[in-house]
Amino acid sequence: ETGVTQSPTHLIKTRGQQVTLRCSSQSGHNTVSWYQQALGQGPQFIFQYYREEENGRGNFPPRFSGLQFPNYSSELNVNALELDDSALYLCASSYETLNTEAFFGQGTRLTVV
Amino acid sequence: AQKITQTQPGMFVQEKEAVTLDCTYDTSDQSYGLFWYKQPSSGEMIFLIYQGSYDEQNATEGRYSLNFQKARKSANLVISASQLGDSAMYFCAMREPFLLYNQGGKLIFGQGTELSVKP
Repeated sequence: ETGVTQSPTHLIKTRGQQVTLRCSSQSGHNTVSWYQQALGQGPQFIFQYYREEENGRGNFPPRFSGLQFPNYSSELNVNALELDDSALYLCASSYETLNTEAFFGQGTRLTVV
Repeated sequence: AQKITQTQPGMFVQEKEAVTLDCTYDTSDQSYGLFWYKQPSSGEMIFLIYQGSYDEQNATEGRYSLNFQKARKSANLVISASQLGDSAMYFCAMREPFLLYNQGGKLIFGQGTELSVKP
């Protein structure tokens, strides 16, 4: 087990609603990255949080936002949900300069109807 | 731009045989890391093996080894003695060094290879 936990594991939302996904990082890790994985695709980088600040963003609109807390856990918020937001959302935990590690949680499967 | 290419959408292997999953990458950086992950149908991304760009020896982790050919920019995963539980999607990923304010540390994934192990 990696020690990275995500909640909830599954979620169904209606188009236009807002959703919050949560991630607890592995002990000793201070960086959390979020990824979106559409069906049949590889994960795509959404953004990364380092010491409570956003440290890089992928090609996702501003309605995707996040937070990192002092204990390094993190939230991903998506506003105005669209059908195409249906995907598996993964968070990865790592330590800033230790590039040899990147451990993932079990993911949150979001379905937008 | 950084890119990972996995050219095998699906692979079959007989139980107890070895299998090689291909991965090529493109980057202009000298320092980077290469990862392989296994993703079963449950969705969790399971770390298998890591290779640093400056590592001279190929990485090994149990039945997994990474055939790293830097000049060819390839990082193939070799699974020896395949087991039924190895059936899953496999992703190759590349990571650049962590840098402040520069998306450093993000993982760039390939499209994946679906491995099926036959009894």
